[in-house]
Amino acid sequence: GESVGLHLPTLSVQEGDNSIINCAYSNSASDYFIWYKQESGKGPQFIIDIRSNMDKRQGQRVTVLLNKTVKHLSLQIAATQPGDSAVYFCAETRGGRRALTFGSGTRLQVQP
Amino acid sequence: GAGVSQTPSNKVTEKGKYVELRCDPISGHTALYWYRQSLGQGPEFLIYFQGTGAADDSGLPNDRFFAVRPEGSVSTLKIQRTERGDSAVYLCASPGLREPYEQYFGPGTRLTVT
Repeated sequence: GESVGLHLPTLSVQEGDNSIINCAYSNSASDYFIWYKQESGKGPQFIIDIRSNMDKRQGQRVTVLLNKTVKHLSLQIAATQPGDSAVYFCAETRGGRRALTFGSGTRLQVQP
Repeated sequence: GAGVSQTPSNKVTEKGKYVELRCDPISGHTALYWYRQSLGQGPEFLIYFQGTGAADDSGLPNDRFFAVRPEGSVSTLKIQRTERGDSAVYLCASPGLREPYEQYFGPGTRLTVT
């Protein structure tokens, strides 16, 4: 069925290193993607988004890459900090539908 | 308001009881979304409002779930005859200004059905 999934449930990195969180999606009609960060006890926090007519978008310390050929999305975090420790979700939608479909999340642990 | 707020932050109820969960969205936005997040999972879409009407309620799991937004601002999610499987965090979201599909979430209401 249609799904958005993640390759790794937990990612552990050293403070200062770059982090890469991956996400695979199955529906080739997906045309809008968002990355969210969720800290314990809080709602998901918007990080960055990308439309399917782009393959890269940069924000502050974050970059999202989209490979439509293999239906793969990644979030790169530069110079990872302890405050980046959280669960990261990718989400997608398509065809003007407002409902987002989320993956199950990757936990990022930043080691001091 | 500055962000999405939800009340209560925690709700414990007994199986079979009725509950109401409230969302105060970012003021001025016509759209509002409800999601449900089970432990260890990503949020799952429940319903989307455009103004006072439900534009998409395809995510509501069954007829025990109902949501209203009578004046196009505050929304209430209502669950009848609660079951233990309804235990989850219920999230409300408002749209962004830049992109119609970006959504900004509130802190959620943690519902526990005992």
